[in-house]
Amino acid sequence: NAGVTQTPKFQVLKTGQSMTLQCAQDMNHNSMYWYRQDPGMGLRLIYYSASEGTTDKGEVPNGYNVSRLNKREFSLRLESAAPSQTSVYFCASSEALNNEKLFFGSGTQLSVL
Amino acid sequence: KQEVTQIPAALSVPEGENLVLNCSFTDSAIYNLQWFRQDPGKGLTSLLLIQSSQREQTSGRLNASLDKSSGRSTLYIAASQPGDSATYLCAVRREEETSGSRLTFGEGTQLTVNP
Repeated sequence: NAGVTQTPKFQVLKTGQSMTLQCAQDMNHNSMYWYRQDPGMGLRLIYYSASEGTTDKGEVPNGYNVSRLNKREFSLRLESAAPSQTSVYFCASSEALNNEKLFFGSGTQLSVL
Repeated sequence: KQEVTQIPAALSVPEGENLVLNCSFTDSAIYNLQWFRQDPGKGLTSLLLIQSSQREQTSGRLNASLDKSSGRSTLYIAASQPGDSATYLCAVRREEETSGSRLTFGEGTQLTVNP
């Protein structure tokens, strides 16, 4: 039982390049999330998916897109990376949106030069 | 806008000491509060979840309390061990955000337990 798996663990991009961060969970959770963690800012929600087939914007969605491919997988895409997107990205999941504990992946450290 | 503050930002204690980590929030209308642990280079692990109607939750050597009216939560760690060294974060969900997922996180307290 792997929990929440994110790939890649590290990535360096040049400004303007695109990439997709992958996330998969094996706990049969309905809800999945993407957060970014920055020094002095804490964790901030980028996008979330309450259930398969739905996605919604979080606190800081600009510059990102997401896809809930199926119940297990939730990907985050940067279409044209900017230095301001240098951050550590975490995927998380929970049984349901409310009143539930979150389970986090180990993170992706992204640097945009 | 909800703001969550954790003081101190860092704490170093000798092994065996009992300690308290603090979390304060500006909007007392919360749905629940969670305490997380984050190890270096890793994701967050949920430790305790307290509903707004509850006063405290316990798990092993950990005890979290919640005082909504004063906007405060504490995480008590008994008989600390070097393995407790990590960053501890609290996060609150406000009442009107139960239809979405808008946790507001504190920046965490980095705890070091020295052998």
